[in-house]
Amino acid sequence: DADVTQTPRNRITKTGKRIMLECSQTKGHDRMYWYRQDPGLGLRLIYYSFDVKDINKGEISDGYSVSRQAQAKFSLSLESAIPNQTALYFCATSGGSGRGNEQFFGPGTRLTVL
Amino acid sequence: DAKTTQPNSMESNEEEPVHLPCNHSTISGTDYIHWYRQLPSQGPEYVIHGLTSNVNNRMASLAIAEDRKSSTLILHRATLRDAAVYYCILRRTDKLIFGTGTRLQVFP
Repeated sequence: DADVTQTPRNRITKTGKRIMLECSQTKGHDRMYWYRQDPGLGLRLIYYSFDVKDINKGEISDGYSVSRQAQAKFSLSLESAIPNQTALYFCATSGGSGRGNEQFFGPGTRLTVL
Repeated sequence: DAKTTQPNSMESNEEEPVHLPCNHSTISGTDYIHWYRQLPSQGPEYVIHGLTSNVNNRMASLAIAEDRKSSTLILHRATLRDAAVYYCILRRTDKLIFGTGTRLQVFP
């Protein structure tokens, strides 16, 4: 079974709709991250959390919110989706030690906003 | 955050060594140099990291210049499965700041 899972894997929605992307991990890591990737570009950090009570904005947090429901779960919400939020979204986790704080990424969620 | 500069693309033949360069002239003393790669239709995966000394692991080697303003990821024998986008990243805190990476093509 995958260590980092994301649901849904694909989603098509309309402008103005509220969308939630979910991430779960079985690695026992405290740190979790949400990134987005636009075509031909690298990943950009949206939000990150170092433990259940900690939430931090990344470089592109406007239009997004997150919830850390438990150590293993970190969800990303688009309160009112707009077309330029069409992208590939990745969740990642890290343990904060060893291998340079290596991050483990999920398979991604492809979101299309019409 | 400190930036890295990489060539947009590189090509290699299978079983040949590949040297992927990265410039990071604004690196600070506490920045770690990380490399991740992203295979088609997958999330990124960790390759290697270092601070000052050259590093080797089962996937690759990392050569770091003495002034730390550049580094090179070395794949000793490229395989078709190494075709991916390779990202050179400076990690100062616990965040990874990705650039656009180098797309490596490997030919049989």
